[in-house]
Amino acid sequence: KAGVTQTPRYLIKTRGQQVTLSCSPISGHRSVSWYQQTPGQGLQFLFEYFSETQRNKGNFPGRFSGRQFSNSRSEMNVSTLELGDSALYLCASSPGGVTGELFFGEGSRLTVL
Amino acid sequence: SQQGEEDPQALSIQEGENATMNCSYKTSINNLQWYRQNSGRGLVHLILIRSNEREKHSGRLRVTLDTSKKSSSLLITASRAADTASYFCATDAGGTSYGKLTFGQGTILTVHP
Repeated sequence: KAGVTQTPRYLIKTRGQQVTLSCSPISGHRSVSWYQQTPGQGLQFLFEYFSETQRNKGNFPGRFSGRQFSNSRSEMNVSTLELGDSALYLCASSPGGVTGELFFGEGSRLTVL
Repeated sequence: SQQGEEDPQALSIQEGENATMNCSYKTSINNLQWYRQNSGRGLVHLILIRSNEREKHSGRLRVTLDTSKKSSSLLITASRAADTASYFCATDAGGTSYGKLTFGQGTILTVHP
């Protein structure tokens, strides 16, 4: 099986812009979670989607949003970018029952200038 | 916010030696997991231990869990240079915490050939 695929792998944006990151889960996985990793805050949970519905959400401002499509692919969007949004954004998939092992993609590294 | 602490923050050993990393957490859990991350890439799942288990083995990995002390340890035996990476513990609170793992700050392990 192919693993979790995230695109783009690297991107540079300027303050005030918006960005959309994409995640294709492992075939058959219906749950997709997003995490932000920074040197200062570590790994923090953003949100989780299952069957196109957001089931869980972390403590991030409304500038961070996501969605899931019927084929389980997911996107996350960050609007009005701030310097502090520079981070590695990780997507993880799982079959979708209770949270067990998560399968992570390689991440999208966002730099905000 | 981080669930707890990992100790040590960094560990440097020689090939063939054992490496022990500790993790403490604050709230009740459904399971605890350990992940490895190489150089800011994606996380790789290593092992999961449920709250009613005390010890688990997988190859060169041994994990213990003490729910009364809210702590866990990861032992890597006969370390190899390829084990050089960051190691994170992550807790799953269960229930409606879909897709959400709460990660520790991680231990950076360096194994010298």
